[in-house]
Amino acid sequence: DAGVIQSPRHEVTEMGQEVTLRCKPISGHDYLFWYRQTMMRGLELLIYFNNNVPIDDSGMPEDRFSAKMPNASFSTLKIQPSEPRDSAVYFCASSSWTANTGELFFGEGSRLTVL
Amino acid sequence: AQSVTQPDIHITVSEGASLELRCNYSYGATPYLFWYVQSPGQGLQLLLKYFSGDTLVQGIKGFEAEFKRSQSSFNLRKPSVHWSDAAEYFCAVGDQGAQKLVFGQGTRLTINP
Repeated sequence: DAGVIQSPRHEVTEMGQEVTLRCKPISGHDYLFWYRQTMMRGLELLIYFNNNVPIDDSGMPEDRFSAKMPNASFSTLKIQPSEPRDSAVYFCASSSWTANTGELFFGEGSRLTVL
Repeated sequence: AQSVTQPDIHITVSEGASLELRCNYSYGATPYLFWYVQSPGQGLQLLLKYFSGDTLVQGIKGFEAEFKRSQSSFNLRKPSVHWSDAAEYFCAVGDQGAQKLVFGQGTRLTINP
């Protein structure tokens, strides 16, 4: 089985540009999570979806961030406009409520650098 | 609100030595507890988890952890570390019935040859 797939793995952009990060969860998983990892703040949950519906977006830093899940196999996290403080590794993770293990399966992350 | 504290930011041990990584949590009910490991440039991988039952749980790669309710702790242990264990380790707590996990700040493990 393929794991969680994220793209791009690395993104370097200039301040003010739009950034779109993509995620394909594990087939059959009904939860999808976006986390951000920085040295200063560790792993922060930004938003999570259940059956493609956003459940909790309280971790989204501000209106510049938005996330969508148009179908069960695809999600995007968009930052517009980007700022240097958005530089971080963004992880997507998925899990299965049916399996009820609580285990998250993580992608390899998208490392974002905003100059 | 749930919270997780990993008091040690960085630990160095010699190869073959025993290891204990500390984790304390704050949660009103019996939590779901997890340890994840992150190798450089990789995502997080589950080492082990505790939901209920036996408070000593075994995981992959020879790791184990013990849930101590009285101390609100879930420390990770390994009797003899290998150089390949060098990584960052995260403790996490989750709501029963919810999928949302809250992670600690992580402990970076360095292995001396």
